[in-house]
Amino acid sequence: SQQGEEDPQALSIQEGENATMNCSYKTSINNLQWYRQNSGRGLVHLILIRSNEREKHSGRLRVTLDTSKKSSSLLITASRAADTASYFCATDRGGYQKVTFGTGTKLQVIP
Amino acid sequence: DVKVTQSSRYLVKRTGEKVFLECVQDMDHENMFWYRQDPGLGLRLIYFSYDVKMKEKGDIPEGYSVSREKKERFSLILESASTNQTSMYLCASSLTGSIEQFFGPGTRLTVL
Repeated sequence: SQQGEEDPQALSIQEGENATMNCSYKTSINNLQWYRQNSGRGLVHLILIRSNEREKHSGRLRVTLDTSKKSSSLLITASRAADTASYFCATDRGGYQKVTFGTGTKLQVIP
Repeated sequence: DVKVTQSSRYLVKRTGEKVFLECVQDMDHENMFWYRQDPGLGLRLIYFSYDVKMKEKGDIPEGYSVSREKKERFSLILESASTNQTSMYLCASSLTGSIEQFFGPGTRLTVL
């Protein structure tokens, strides 16, 4: 069963704008990760936030986690055309590093 | 840099054929994973392995098997390919103790 559900499914913005995508999940988690997938390629890890953290930054990325609402958001500031990709959240509950991926948000950044 | 390679980017097979998808990683990772990715369904875990000769079923193992004879190589086998196995297949690896997964470029399999 899908643990993570991203929202929106698709997002189109102008270059320079901020992009926000959300992830909701159903059960308690140990960690939540965000990955990016360029068209037709494998996924690339962006950032990990642990269940005891509320916010994390990496360059132009800002991730928040609200365990009481079972949700996370990924903010990309000052977007670039190269940010055009699909973004997936992934959650785990410990064990053999098995993670469950959401269905993804497709982001298009228009130059 | 971790490198995960997959044997083919694109593959076309006929119904009933036996299909082998190969994945190799070069960073001595203990854990390896096979996913399939379909539009609207995201990534679904088929099988994973946390050691040589060890394997665990994921969420959708039916119609698939795997082999891990060497630490760096994890093979996905479709015993008798069917059209509903047309999909993008992604291999990944991770180090024990780390949750971050490293992905290969994917194999887009079409079964006719």
